[in-house]
Amino acid sequence: QKEVEQNSGPLSVPEGAIASLNCTYSDRGSQSFFWYRQYSGKSPELIMFIYSNGDKEDGRFTAQLNKASQYVSLLIRDSQPSDSATYLCAVFGYGGSQGNLIFGKGTKLSVKP
Amino acid sequence: GAVVSQHPSRVICKSGTSVKIECRSLDFQATTMFWYRQFPKQSLMLMATSNEGSKATYEQGVEKDKFLINHASLTLSTLTVTSAHPEDSSFYICSARDLTGIYGTDTQYFGPGTRLTVL
Repeated sequence: QKEVEQNSGPLSVPEGAIASLNCTYSDRGSQSFFWYRQYSGKSPELIMFIYSNGDKEDGRFTAQLNKASQYVSLLIRDSQPSDSATYLCAVFGYGGSQGNLIFGKGTKLSVKP
Repeated sequence: GAVVSQHPSRVICKSGTSVKIECRSLDFQATTMFWYRQFPKQSLMLMATSNEGSKATYEQGVEKDKFLINHASLTLSTLTVTSAHPEDSSFYICSARDLTGIYGTDTQYFGPGTRLTVL
């Protein structure tokens, strides 16, 4: 059973701080990794994807991947109250051929003004 | 990014009626679409995977005769909740897989969701 694990939180950070969200996955053959953001009452939206070990930056967001440790993280710099949401980590299986993403249960982030 | 629409966004119906929800990929062709259900403060639950032109694959515990899925074209999948009951009230979300990666990656894009309330 392929699994994606996340700390459910809530993770509370003050405005302007760095929020660090973590995710581990069980399938060592996984090749592609995604972060989705879901606001309360809304559907998930894709914010980052990463395929290679290391860091990938997009604006205030940085995704980090360590395949040896089977670990993915998302850093949000200069956190804003509007970043308050649930962040879902998702993983495709080996070769991207699994057909659907395996989602973690999400980490709820709260950014306090 | 890729756009997936869902209709209706909200529906209220009487117990025993059937409700159809449409999911469309607007700017890419989706050979595979997915249907999820989400109860308040809970995580996404995958109900079924729908491939264009073939029968849907349902997750364990999901009644295929109650949740009818049709994926007749590369841009449209429908979910029909038959003989709906109050316990079917939930947030139903579809997603479509963009295999071509025209927006940078092969992944799933979600529709805005349909909130179903069964009285």
